[in-house]
Amino acid sequence: GQNIDQPTEMTATEGAIVQINCTYQTSGFNGLFWYQQHAGEAPTFLSYNVLDGLEEKGRFSSFLSRSKGYSYLLLKELQMKDSASYLCAVRPNSGGGADGLTFGKGTHLIIQP
Amino acid sequence: EPEVTQTPSHQVTQMGQEVILRCVPISNHLYFYWYRQILGQKVEFLVSFYNNEISEKSEIFDDQFSVERPDGSNFTLKIRSTKLEDSAMYFCASSRPGNEQFFGPGTRLTVL
Repeated sequence: GQNIDQPTEMTATEGAIVQINCTYQTSGFNGLFWYQQHAGEAPTFLSYNVLDGLEEKGRFSSFLSRSKGYSYLLLKELQMKDSASYLCAVRPNSGGGADGLTFGKGTHLIIQP
Repeated sequence: EPEVTQTPSHQVTQMGQEVILRCVPISNHLYFYWYRQILGQKVEFLVSFYNNEISEKSEIFDDQFSVERPDGSNFTLKIRSTKLEDSAMYFCASSRPGNEQFFGPGTRLTVL
C-alpha cells in the first residue's frame, strides 16, 4: 500500500522560516516531489529529490532521507503569497515510464503578518 | 512559457450522462496523465498514457473511464455514465521522461 503523511495545517509569520515534514511508506520509490497548490488552482511544481540530501532552489529547499522515508520542504523569507497548500508526492514505480504520483493530503500553510 | 491547457473550465452534467474532458499537453512532452481531486481531499492519480496506450491506471479508473489521444495535440478523458461521486476537479498533466509533471488548470465537474 501507499501512505504519505504530512501535517494538516501550519501557521508561520511573514519573513520567518517554516519546515513542512512528510513521511512516506510506499511499495516502491523513484523520487519525491513537492507541489504548491493555491485554493481552486492546479498544483505547481516546487522541487524534486531522488537521492538523499538537500536540494536548494531560491527560497525553497527540500531534503530527502530514503532510509527514513522522510522529506521536508523548507521555506525561507516567507511572504504572504506563500499561503497555500503544500503537497508531498511520491513516484512509487521504477521510472522510465509514465508513472503516476501518489499524493499526501497536503499541508495548509497560513502566513500571518 | 508553454503550459498545459484544459477545456472546459467548468462542466455541469446530469447523473448518467457522458462527459468528455479535454486537455492539450505541452507540445514536446511524451507522457500524459489524468488526476482528480474531490473537494477538500487529496489529489488522486487516475491514469497515465504513453505512445498511444495506457501506461498505468489506478483502481479508480474503472470501465466507466476511458482516455484517448484523437489527434496530435489533444488528450481526452471520457466518463461514460457519470455518478454523483464523480464530482471533482479533474487535472491533466504532462511530462518528459523522468521529469516533473506539469498540471493544467483543471476542469471542475459537477454531477447533479
